[in-house]
Amino acid sequence: AQSVSQHNHHVILSEAASLELGCNYSYGGTVNLFWYVQYPGQHLQLLLKYFSGDPLVKGIKGFEAEFIKSKFSFNLRKPSVQWSDTAEYFCAVTGGSYIPTFGRGTSLIVHP
Amino acid sequence: DAGVIQSPRHEVTEMGQEVTLRCKPISGHDYLFWYRQTMMRGLELLIYFNNNVPIDDSGMPEDRFSAKMPNASFSTLKIQPSEPRDSAVYFCASSLGDNEKLFFGSGTQLSVL
Repeated sequence: AQSVSQHNHHVILSEAASLELGCNYSYGGTVNLFWYVQYPGQHLQLLLKYFSGDPLVKGIKGFEAEFIKSKFSFNLRKPSVQWSDTAEYFCAVTGGSYIPTFGRGTSLIVHP
Repeated sequence: DAGVIQSPRHEVTEMGQEVTLRCKPISGHDYLFWYRQTMMRGLELLIYFNNNVPIDDSGMPEDRFSAKMPNASFSTLKIQPSEPRDSAVYFCASSLGDNEKLFFGSGTQLSVL
């Protein structure tokens, strides 16, 4: 069975700081990877996804993620965060079951 | 499309009472998922349906939990009897197919006193 680990549960940054949220998965076969974001008071929505091809994926609002197969990782990055990026971020993976398994989430707070 | 619609947005009930959560998926989506979100365990898959048929309910915590999808446009998640440890946010999501992105509803914040 697949599983996802997000190591940072809470991250606090100042505006303009760089962001990297860790995501590791366990599954031996082909995977598809997702990052979802949940802004305060809103529902989860897709930030970006990786299915195949270029392992560096660009999403909305300046976010990007890099799939490193050898490390079973799919870390989320943004070079300069804004106050409006305050949200909860979830990494998800689909493996053999094609049904996404989510990590526990990382709460990001950005101070203005 | 209005997106995935869940009701109620908030539910406060007393221990032992029956709770019913409702979900209307996006029209044309073949998959429907019920997730539970808690601080301790994050986002857990409870059950999912494909074409109205329950496929995997291994995430349903106990017999107190049941879910139905009588037609393509409606699903319910029922807890009977409810307990304080069931307090969480329950999300419904739908997708066009497996391995597709999920569209989430706004969730139901359940508090069992």
